Amino acid sequence: GDSVTQMEGPVTLSEEAFLTINCTYTATGYPSLFWYVQYPGEGLQLLLKATKADDKGSNKGFEATYRKETTSFHLEKGSVQVSDSAVYFCAWNSGGYQKVTFGTGTKLQVIP
Amino acid sequence: KAGVTQTPRYLIKTRGQQVTLSCSPISGHRSVSWYQQTPGQGLQFLFEYFSETQRNKGNFPGRFSGRQFSNSRSEMNVSTLELGDSALYLCASQLEGSNTEAFFGQGTRLTVV
Repeated sequence: GDSVTQMEGPVTLSEEAFLTINCTYTATGYPSLFWYVQYPGEGLQLLLKATKADDKGSNKGFEATYRKETTSFHLEKGSVQVSDSAVYFCAWNSGGYQKVTFGTGTKLQVIP
Repeated sequence: KAGVTQTPRYLIKTRGQQVTLSCSPISGHRSVSWYQQTPGQGLQFLFEYFSETQRNKGNFPGRFSGRQFSNSRSEMNVSTLELGDSALYLCASQLEGSNTEAFFGQGTRLTVV
């Protein structure tokens, strides 16, 4: 069935390290893809999105490219900060009777 | 434009009681979804309402129910509360249309004692 798979956490990085969080999806058609971020005690916020193949979403130094050939949407950031510590969710929406389908979340901890 | 508003933010209930949570979506959004988030199970989809009709449902027992009003505001109800129902309950609203993103409220933290 349709699903999103993202890498298990927690991920612990030192400040200024490079971040990659892997995400792959299984869906028919041409879904839109999203990354959401959840800071402690808060709801989820949209971080970035891409609506078609080869689109690159970007925000706050984070980037993800919609790769239809590998059905992936990996999140990257060149230099993480302590303030980036949060849980990151990959998600997709195929349209139609849409509801956004979420991955299990990856907790990122950035240490000074 | 106001965001998604959930009330109350925090709630403490006793086992066996019932609880009602409220969600006001972003103006113009007619789709409202509910999620349960726990440390052990992560983010789990409960149900989605559109135009006062339940359109999608997750795998939760019948103790969990919801409804949507004509102004798109939604409520979810949990009856006969169990300790395991302690969680952050998140509501999200979406515009109708292809490939739109979900906008989340800050959630209601329910503690069952």
